[in-house]
Amino acid sequence: QVQLVESGGGVIQPGRSLRLSCAASGFTFSSYAMHWVRQAPGKGLEWVAVISYDGNYRNYADSVKGRFIISKDSPKNTLNLQMNSLRDDDTALYYCARVPRGALHGPFDHWGQGTLVTVSS
Amino acid sequence: DIQMTQSPSTLSASVGDRVTITCRASQSISNWLAWYQQKPGKAPKVLIYKASNLESGVPSRFSGSGSGTEFTLTISSLQPDDFATYYCQQYNNYSPMYTFGQGTKLEIK
Repeated sequence: QVQLVESGGGVIQPGRSLRLSCAASGFTFSSYAMHWVRQAPGKGLEWVAVISYDGNYRNYADSVKGRFIISKDSPKNTLNLQMNSLRDDDTALYYCARVPRGALHGPFDHWGQGTLVTVSS
Repeated sequence: DIQMTQSPSTLSASVGDRVTITCRASQSISNWLAWYQQKPGKAPKVLIYKASNLESGVPSRFSGSGSGTEFTLTISSLQPDDFATYYCQQYNNYSPMYTFGQGTKLEIK
């Protein structure tokens, strides 16, 4: 069955960098576009970034554009999110999510359980 | 960017009730709308896609309707497992920011 397992979260100081990973299994990872979505404590869902199945298209929320980089390592079945210049308001639970095969935009049909990033001095 | 506005923010209802949640888009998104259910400590789960299509495995008491800018999620007869927070999301490819509504918390009356 489809599994998405995020890792890499933790407590990090403002201005520092962190790299999140999402290990995918149970499907042909190279054929699917993937997204990152975050949820600040007690708040709603915020879309963060998307990458196409082949990695040739990437897009970001305005709140992270220029600071975050999404990437896809298909041989390793891993989705990554490089987060630079972290700010307090980046504190959130970060989910990776898959869209159906052949789609780019949605819906998000499978989600991981999330990895918590806390930005604090 | 397209804004998504859900109402109400909180809804109190009883088991067996029929409930409706509304989601409005700031501009037309055709039928590129999904509904998700999220329970505390869990990841969201898709219920409805393309405004009215029921995701596989989702009970038929859930239904979605609408197009353009106005959408609804209806639960025909609330079950104890349905008390959760519900989010709408637009995934219009002309505005690829995949905006979520602010959420509707469905509580037990």
